[in-house]
Amino acid sequence: ILNVEQSPQSLHVQEGDSTNFTCSFPSSNFYALHWYRWETAKSPEALFVMTLNGDEKKKGRISATLNTKEGYSYLYIKGSQPEDSATYLCAPRSNTDKLIFGTGTRLQVFP
Amino acid sequence: DVKVTQSSRYLVKRTGEKVFLECVQDMDHENMFWYRQDPGLGLRLIYFSYDVKMKEKGDIPEGYSVSREKKERFSLILESASTNQTSMYLCASTDRGAGQPQHFGDGTRLSIL
Repeated sequence: ILNVEQSPQSLHVQEGDSTNFTCSFPSSNFYALHWYRWETAKSPEALFVMTLNGDEKKKGRISATLNTKEGYSYLYIKGSQPEDSATYLCAPRSNTDKLIFGTGTRLQVFP
Repeated sequence: DVKVTQSSRYLVKRTGEKVFLECVQDMDHENMFWYRQDPGLGLRLIYFSYDVKMKEKGDIPEGYSVSREKKERFSLILESASTNQTSMYLCASTDRGAGQPQHFGDGTRLSIL
């Protein structure tokens, strides 16, 4: 896995808006897909680890889907809140324990 | 809760110094990792370790070495610090297995003058 792309690079939304980001990765040699949230001055926090094509995971207002055949994952936030402001990182994993991180989507939610 | 502790949040060193960054985890994880984060770039893997005394090069190992003498501790060493090693350094640990997330420390912001 060499090239991981996340879009958009940054996003500004109003409180209450729903939003989504994309993570694209090469579909060959896929093993798992990780999503992390990284708030300023804190450590990255794991949101989801997905392994199966068609996986959908949910944690509160945040959910994620995975398409391993075409090499993409979507992260959705429903009803964004100011505390959702963070950088969201995706990282696919091959059959080693190594993750390849994208550059992230920086989300800012304005009250 | 998993706790990954990095020894310093901020560190300032001089060019040519030998610098040690320490990381300790309390969950008996086999795997430990060192990353650096630079503006506009994703987290890049420097070194990782599958077990005590085991180490593997990541994507950018040049200028760094590591030590893992005990399972809970993974040290990153800058043999002769240079200004291009000014960065945010993050340590992480994880259990083995495809479904296991990585647990990160708070990071060390290192400045080399």
